[in-house]
Amino acid sequence: EDQVTQSPEALRLQEGESSSLNCSYTVSGLRGLFWYRQDPGKGPEFLFTLYSAGEEKEKERLKATLTKKESFLHITAPKPEDSATYLCAVQAADRGSTLGRLYFGRGTQLTVWP
Amino acid sequence: AAGVIQSPRHLIKEKRETATLKCYPIPRHDTVYWYQQGPGQDPQFLISFYEKMQSDKGSIPDRFSAQQFSDYHSELNMSSLELGDSALYFCASSTSNYGYTFGSGTRLTVV
Repeated sequence: EDQVTQSPEALRLQEGESSSLNCSYTVSGLRGLFWYRQDPGKGPEFLFTLYSAGEEKEKERLKATLTKKESFLHITAPKPEDSATYLCAVQAADRGSTLGRLYFGRGTQLTVWP
Repeated sequence: AAGVIQSPRHLIKEKRETATLKCYPIPRHDTVYWYQQGPGQDPQFLISFYEKMQSDKGSIPDRFSAQQFSDYHSELNMSSLELGDSALYFCASSTSNYGYTFGSGTRLTVV
């Protein structure tokens, strides 16, 4: 069964204190691993898609990396506006030619205080 | 850039009533997905459509049905509503070349 586990569940950082969020996954053939940011009561906002082990992507203070079993979202010098829930999701390869369903983790609730 | 549009944003219904949620995907996106997110929970896949045909089905109750129309918009119909159906309902769209884009969601409250 496809599974996604995120850790920690909650993380409090002081502004400027860098850290990493973890996403461990078990999937029968990975088609893609997605990172989203979600603010309370809003839809997930797309951050990154990673497709193969060793791939890295960056956007402002965020950097996502992927291995065969897990992904990390590194946050460098975070600011209070980075406070949100960060969701990881995987898509299995054996879902036909179209993009299929995503399996989500429970998310990491990040709070950055000044 | 155009995003995924969902309506209504908020909906309050009584138990046993019926609700209809609408989703307008990004233009030229050929696949629409519906997810349900309960309080403090991760989004759970309900159903998807590719080129107006159902392409995948997840943990969607029999009381729920959905379809995609000729203009590619989709509707999620929910009947005999229960208190446990209270949740955020998200629609997402994609093409074979681009990842998911989610809408802002519809918050359904069943009282």
